[in-house]
Amino acid sequence: DTGVSQNPRHKITKRGQNVTFRCDPISEHNRLYWYRQTLGQGPEFLTYFQNEAQLEKSRLLSDRFSAERPKGSFSTLEIQRTEQGDSAMYLCASSKISGGYHNEQFFGPGTRLTVL
Amino acid sequence: GQQVMQIPQYQHVQEGEDFTTYCNSSTTLSNIQWYKQRPGGHPVFLIQLVKSGEVKKQKRLTFQFGEAKKNSSLHITATQTTDVGTYFCAGSSGGYQKVTFGTGTKLQVIP
Repeated sequence: DTGVSQNPRHKITKRGQNVTFRCDPISEHNRLYWYRQTLGQGPEFLTYFQNEAQLEKSRLLSDRFSAERPKGSFSTLEIQRTEQGDSAMYLCASSKISGGYHNEQFFGPGTRLTVL
Repeated sequence: GQQVMQIPQYQHVQEGEDFTTYCNSSTTLSNIQWYKQRPGGHPVFLIQLVKSGEVKKQKRLTFQFGEAKKNSSLHITATQTTDVGTYFCAGSSGGYQKVTFGTGTKLQVIP
């Protein structure tokens, strides 16, 4: 399968614990996005990378959230000191750069986080 | 900040009826994309519109981008049960600006 993959698919953690999610984009895609989605809502932008550079970050991304894409390939999203409000589906997407704007994004299956 | 609203929030139609969802941005967009998300699934890309006033068709689906590049619509002719899902528009104001997804329209088709 050459699509976007995310691991783990499900994560249950206790409040206050740290969690890390991984996203492997489609190999030739140079842009990688992270979103958060709660039930009945649209995907909420968190951050995106162009190669290894983090170009935009939502102000919703508090200092407890950090994302990296060290070699311009896979990316990790870490949430420190999780809170119950962090419970959501975390989606990763990737795309190719073309035309100077955001192009078709291919989404992974997501990581569902439950904070108890 | 940029806001993207969609109406209606929900739509129930009889199979065979038409369906339209509207997307409105608080800022001018460089481009707009449409995605479909089936229940329990992830968003799947449908189309991208870039030019002012652009109209694109995909079989029973017609997409429009407004002249001012602040609104868009998706129209489905003769809905089928396979059209069930939530339809999202997503836009950016360009450059390195973030992508903002709309609030979505959930379509239910009654056979």
